[in-house]
Amino acid sequence: EVQLMESGGGLAQPGGSVRLSCVASGFTFDKYAINWVRLAPGKGLEWVAGISASGGSTYFADSVKGRFSISRDNANNTASLQIFNLRDEDTAIYYCAKGVRAFWGPQDYWGQGALVSVSS
Amino acid sequence: DIVMTQSPLSLSVTPGQAASISCKSSQSLLHRDVRTYLYWYLQKPGQSPQLLIYEVSNRFSGVPERFSGSGSGTDFTLKISRVEADDVGVYYCMQSMQYPPTFGQGTRVDIK
Repeated sequence: EVQLMESGGGLAQPGGSVRLSCVASGFTFDKYAINWVRLAPGKGLEWVAGISASGGSTYFADSVKGRFSISRDNANNTASLQIFNLRDEDTAIYYCAKGVRAFWGPQDYWGQGALVSVSS
Repeated sequence: DIVMTQSPLSLSVTPGQAASISCKSSQSLLHRDVRTYLYWYLQKPGQSPQLLIYEVSNRFSGVPERFSGSGSGTDFTLKISRVEADDVGVYYCMQSMQYPPTFGQGTRVDIK
């Protein structure tokens, strides 16, 4: 059974940083991209970042480029999303999602999400 | 970026009745590899999104047959043949024909 589980997040201050982690199981981790998609209050789903299966390519939405960093550890089936210089609009549930192929693209399985709340 | 536009944005359906959601893209989603990269997701209340349909009309593993997808080019439709109470939630279309992947605004479906 494919499973992804996020951790990290919580309450953070504007200008601060937060690190989200994703642990995966049930599939060959190093063959698939990992994506991060967020759901902000009152809004729809927004793809924000992705990393290729090998970790050699990273992808970011223009809205977060320069402030988000993504990485993965294929030896431990984990991926991470780090958010710097937090803004109010980063408040959202962040989902880790397995890609359907090795590079950027759609997602088939999603984690339960991690809440990031930005407030002073 | 490709803009995805869904309609209606909300839908109230009687159990057992059919429902239909439209999704239009600002550019054709037909790739040069002859595949069309249009997906449908459902986010049930309190849950994470789940994949329903991939590449326009293919049901994902475990998705009931009452869900079907159709369309081509820039116009796509998700149909639920007989809505059940468990189908409530927000439905999203998404394209991955062109980077970055983009979602529609979502269509909220509830039961009358």
